[in-house]
Amino acid sequence: DAGVTQSPTHLIKTRGQQVTLRCSPKSGHDTVSWYQQALGQGPQFIFQYYEEEERQRGNFPDRFSGHQFPNYSSELNVNALLLGDSALYLCASSLIEGGYTFGSGTRLTVV
Amino acid sequence: AQSVTQPDIHITVSEGASLELRCNYSYGATPYLFWYVQSPGQGLQLLLKYFSGDTLVQGIKGFEAEFKRSQSSFNLRKPSVHWSDAAEYFCAVGQGSGNTGKLIFGQGTTLQVKP
Repeated sequence: DAGVTQSPTHLIKTRGQQVTLRCSPKSGHDTVSWYQQALGQGPQFIFQYYEEEERQRGNFPDRFSGHQFPNYSSELNVNALLLGDSALYLCASSLIEGGYTFGSGTRLTVV
Repeated sequence: AQSVTQPDIHITVSEGASLELRCNYSYGATPYLFWYVQSPGQGLQLLLKYFSGDTLVQGIKGFEAEFKRSQSSFNLRKPSVHWSDAAEYFCAVGQGSGNTGKLIFGQGTTLQVKP
């Protein structure tokens, strides 16, 4: 049973560029959440998607946006990249009544 | 505001020794509490969770945690540490509906295991 799959695993972007990260949830899971983990820090909640709608949002600027598709997969988009956006981006999927399964993350480096 | 504090940034124990990782939380209602482990370059793996009931929770890999409401704590323990336990450990409190609301994480504790 495949768990949560994230792509790409690593990415290098230049300041000001835009990036799209992708997440395929665990089979049967319908809810996807995104977290940002800066080096040496705990993960911070970005937003959560359920039924293709954003259900909750953390304290992140509008440069961070997302989407959930009918097959429950999800994308995280970040516009106008800043050096401070360099982090490990984690996707977690769940059933609305169940617990989280995390992916291995996408390491984004902004130069 | 809800928060999680892990007072120990770095802990070193000898293989075979016991382990306790501390976690304190601030949350207005009955908390949903979690411990996750992260190996280098990997995502988070759930060790155990507390929602209600028995305050001593058993998890995977021989870990357990005890919920103490009076101390707002949820400390993680293991009686005998193995070298493979070296990793980053995160305590988290769940906010919102059931156990799929957003998670608020502590800063993490890095565990080093000496041979």
